Amino acid sequence: SQQGEEDPQALSIQEGENATMNCSYKTSINNLQWYRQNSGRGLVHLILIRSNEREKHSGRLRVTLDTSKKSSSLLITASRAADTASYFCATDADDYKLSFGAGTTVTVRA
Amino acid sequence: DTAVSQTPKYLVTQMGNDKSIKCEQNLGHDTMYWYKQDSKKFLKIMFSYNNKELIINETVPNRFSPKSPDKAHLNLHINSLELGDSAVYFCASSQVQTGELFFGEGSRLTVL
Repeated sequence: SQQGEEDPQALSIQEGENATMNCSYKTSINNLQWYRQNSGRGLVHLILIRSNEREKHSGRLRVTLDTSKKSSSLLITASRAADTASYFCATDADDYKLSFGAGTTVTVRA
Repeated sequence: DTAVSQTPKYLVTQMGNDKSIKCEQNLGHDTMYWYKQDSKKFLKIMFSYNNKELIINETVPNRFSPKSPDKAHLNLHINSLELGDSAVYFCASSQVQTGELFFGEGSRLTVL
């Protein structure tokens, strides 16, 4: 069953702006991960945040996790054309697998 | 030095045919997976193997049969292909279950 759901489905921003996308999930989790998928390519791991963490940074990426609301957000700061991709959250709900949502498609306009 | 490689990248075939997709990882990981991504980009796990042992088998038609000859390889054989099998199939691996996944580039299957 699908666990994470991303919002919005699609996002279009100007280069240099920040992009924020959200992920909501249904059950308790051990960790939550974000992945990027460029068109026609495989998914690439971006960041993992554990259930006892609230915020994590990696370069221009900032991820927050609110377990009380069962939600996470991914912020990409100072976006670039190369950030154009689909972004997926994946949750580990203690069932030995990662469950993905359908992703947020981000378009960065030059 | 491709970490997770899968072949072929594209398959176009007729309904009723049988096809196979091969996957190899050179990361030394113990766990390998097959995921299916549909036309709406929804990614769903199909199978997971840990050290050649099947540990996850989601509700997948038994026309789909995974095989892991060793922990670096996981193949997917599909019998009697149907139109609804058209999708992109991704192989992935991880060192531990539910840890960071490393994905292949995908195999796009089109059933006519």
